[in-house]
Amino acid sequence: DIVMTQSPDSLAVSLGERATINCKSSQSVLYSSNNKNYLAWYQQKPGQPPKLLIYWASTRESGVPDRFSGSGSGTDFTLTISSLQAEDVAVYYCQQYYSTPYSFGQGTRLEIK
Amino acid sequence: EVELVESGGGLVQPGGSLRLSCTASGFTFSDYWMHWVRQAPGKGLVWVSRLNKDGSSTSYADSVKGRFTISRDQAKNTLYLQMNSLRAEDTAVYYCVRDRQLGAPFDAFDIWGQGTMVTVSS
Repeated sequence: DIVMTQSPDSLAVSLGERATINCKSSQSVLYSSNNKNYLAWYQQKPGQPPKLLIYWASTRESGVPDRFSGSGSGTDFTLTISSLQAEDVAVYYCQQYYSTPYSFGQGTRLEIK
Repeated sequence: EVELVESGGGLVQPGGSLRLSCTASGFTFSDYWMHWVRQAPGKGLVWVSRLNKDGSSTSYADSVKGRFTISRDQAKNTLYLQMNSLRAEDTAVYYCVRDRQLGAPFDAFDIWGQGTMVTVSS
């Protein structure tokens, strides 16, 4: 099974500043035949279901603000929020969908400093 | 509007059973692989089960294998999760989730229901 580990567990960033969340998988989630990383990022606000932000490690879901970006390949990935807004306060999860059982990181809680 | 609505949660005693339902609308349900994901109170997301678009292929997390069964009724646009031999550690919000691309397995989850709470306690 693939284990996903996020860092840090929590993060406080000032409004307008950059926020960076890391995700590491215990084995590569890059599928060589199509050169795609089977890695997604989700945002979950209190009392709400998760919302898909990024898939294929770096493709932004429709309607997601362009301040959100994803990068990385193989086993190391990053979610970056270029300029933190108040509405970005949430818990963020990475997820691998390379193989079953699908797995999520433990989550990173993002707050305003 | 694309929507998933779960129902069937509630309080059940350890060892008991419960069947969750998820009604889909706004898209062609039979074209998509579907999943259940759960979240214990204050905890992270855990994938539970997956079903292919025609209902012929299933996958389960080890923690529920042999106790939970995923199925679908295409005519009713409904996904089910039959949960037997329930344990306290099954207590969670259960989300019904859709794969992003129609027809293809191994994709991100683009549509989530609001979830239904299952509490296993005596």
